[in-house]
Amino acid sequence: GESVGLHLPTLSVQEGDNSIINCAYSNSASDYFIWYKQESGKGPQFIIDIRSNMDKRQGQRVTVLLNKTVKHLSLQIAATQPGDSAVYFCAENHLENTGGFKTIFGAGTRLFVKA
Amino acid sequence: DAGVIQSPRHEVTEMGQEVTLRCKPISGHNSLFWYRQTMMRGLELLIYFNNNVPIDDSGMPEDRFSAKMPNASFSTLKIQPSEPRDSAVYFCASAPGLSGDNEQFFGPGTRLTVL
Repeated sequence: GESVGLHLPTLSVQEGDNSIINCAYSNSASDYFIWYKQESGKGPQFIIDIRSNMDKRQGQRVTVLLNKTVKHLSLQIAATQPGDSAVYFCAENHLENTGGFKTIFGAGTRLFVKA
Repeated sequence: DAGVIQSPRHEVTEMGQEVTLRCKPISGHNSLFWYRQTMMRGLELLIYFNNNVPIDDSGMPEDRFSAKMPNASFSTLKIQPSEPRDSAVYFCASAPGLSGDNEQFFGPGTRLTVL
């Protein structure tokens, strides 16, 4: 069935280093891929998204890479800061027969930033 | 805008009781989503509405769960009767529409504990 999963459940990085969080998906019909950040006690917050017809998109300190050949998605965070400590979810949107888009979330990766 | 508002933030109830969770989406958003988050199953989409109409409720786990959206500014998720396995954090999210690139804005969640 459809699934969106993560390679690493936890990631620990030194402040100032770059972080890379990986994600695998199985639905080849996915149209959009999104990364969310969830801090403790809060709801997920949108970070960046990418359309299925792109392979790279950059934001402020974040870059998302999409490899459709191997169905792999990654989030790169440059110069990781303590405030980046959170759980990161990848998610995919695909068009359903209902005419709406359905979002499937991955399991999440916890990022620890060491000062 | 205050963002998505959920109430209550915490709910503790006993097995068999009825639980009603409430959500006020961001004004002007046409789509509303209910999610459940647990350690075991991660973030699961339960149901979503567009223009107050339920589009897909295939994620609702059982008939004990029901959701309504009587108007554009209010939605409820009801569990009757509640069971201990319903304990989770329930998130409401809203989006401008149902297209794939529409960012979902999440509320702070309701932490439900069923004893």
